[in-house]
Amino acid sequence: EVQLLESGGGLVQPGGSLRLSCAASGFTFSSYAMSWVRQAPGKALEWVSTISVSGGSTYYADSVKGRFTISRDNSENTLYLQMNSLRGEDTAVYYCAKAIVVMAFDYWGQGTLVTVSS
Amino acid sequence: QSALTQSPSASGSPGQSVTISCTGTSSDVGAYELVSWYQQHPGKAPKLMIYEVNRRPSGVPDRFSGSKSGNTASLTVSGLHTEDEADYFCSSYGGINNFGVFGGGTKLTVL
Repeated sequence: EVQLLESGGGLVQPGGSLRLSCAASGFTFSSYAMSWVRQAPGKALEWVSTISVSGGSTYYADSVKGRFTISRDNSENTLYLQMNSLRGEDTAVYYCAKAIVVMAFDYWGQGTLVTVSS
Repeated sequence: QSALTQSPSASGSPGQSVTISCTGTSSDVGAYELVSWYQQHPGKAPKLMIYEVNRRPSGVPDRFSGSKSGNTASLTVSGLHTEDEADYFCSSYGGINNFGVFGGGTKLTVL
């Protein structure tokens, strides 16, 4: 059974940092691109970032470019999102997602809430 | 990266069909056969319903179908069930420099 388990969310002040983790199991993690997608309360889904199977290629939404860094550890079956210079508009539930093909996410985690507020 | 355009709401009665549209540009929806559709019930993670415009993942009922014409993709739900009431989001690949984009979402009400 495929499982994606996010952790690391919480309350952080504007300008602060957080690191999200996503522990994957039930599939060959190193064979799939992985992504982060977020959803502000009551709002639409927003693609945040995608990383290739090897980690050699990364892609970011303009809204997070230069502030967020996606990475993966294929030996530990874990996906990461380092978030720096956080802003109020970054407040959202962050989902990690497994891609079946580009921008088609067949498995999602349960999400972790990030709240940026003073 | 502008969001894809979806109507905020749609509705139908049980047994009826409803079509939800998703309009992008010639750089995303119109350029690639990489449109996906997701169903999301309140408080739950999204579920992939359609990928590559018209392919259904295993376990998704064939009442759900997808299509595309030009810069507009569509999701059709036939024979509506009450459990189809949910938010539906489209997404598309937009190339290396504009990788991914979602639609604003459509709330489907089954009357």
